[in-house]
Amino acid sequence: DTEVTQTPKHLVMGMTNKKSLKCEQHMGHRAMYWYKQKAKKPPELMFVYSYEKLSINESVPSRFSPECPNSSLLNLHLHALQPEDSALYLCASSQDHEGYTFGSGTRLTVV
Amino acid sequence: GNSVTQMEGPVTLSEEAFLTINCTYTATGYPSLFWYVQYPGEGLQLLLKATKADDKGSNKGFEATYRKETTSFHLEKGSVQVSDSAVYFCALLAGGTSYGKLTFGQGTILTVHP
Repeated sequence: DTEVTQTPKHLVMGMTNKKSLKCEQHMGHRAMYWYKQKAKKPPELMFVYSYEKLSINESVPSRFSPECPNSSLLNLHLHALQPEDSALYLCASSQDHEGYTFGSGTRLTVV
Repeated sequence: GNSVTQMEGPVTLSEEAFLTINCTYTATGYPSLFWYVQYPGEGLQLLLKATKADDKGSNKGFEATYRKETTSFHLEKGSVQVSDSAVYFCALLAGGTSYGKLTFGQGTILTVHP
C-alpha cells in the first residue's frame, strides 16, 4: 500500500459545526503532516507529527485541533471555523528524505 | 531561512514542445530537492527527487539535475503532452532531519494545447 487516504473528499460545514478530517497510511511512515492549500497557492504547513507526537505547530488557530491516535492515523478536528478557512486540506506522510506522500485532500467549504 | 523561487507562469505550450521550468533555492546545509505535480482537483504527487549534488531525478520523461554550484533544480521534458497540463511545485527539505517542513516554490501552471 503506497497511498495516503483522506476522508471525506468534500465537506461543507457551518461556522458553529464540529467536524473531523481523517487521514490514514499503511506505509510505516513515522512522520505525518497536515497542510492547508488555498487556490493557486502552494501548500502551507499546519502540523507535523513524528512518532505520534506533535513536533511542529505552525501557529495554527486553536479552532484546528490535530490528533494522532496511532502510527497510521491522523485526524484534524474542526470547530467554529470561519469562511476564510475554506481550502483544500492535505495530509501527507514521510520517512527520512524519501519525499512526502500526499493524500488527495479534503475540500472544505465553511458557510 | 530556506526558500524556493520558481519561474512565474502560466506557461502555455503546444503538444510535443520542449518544457523548462526554472527553480532556484536558498538553503543551509545540503537539502533534498523535489518536484511535485498537482492535477486539477487532486492532491500533490511526487514527480521526481534528488538528494545530493549532481543527482539527476527522472520520471515519466521529466528530468531535473541538482546543481549545487548554481543552487538550481530546473525541470525539463523533451516533448510535452496534453495530459501534462497541471501545476508544478519545486520544493526542498532541509538536511539533517528525518521529518520537517517542505519549503515550496509558488508553483507554475502548465497548459499544453493539442
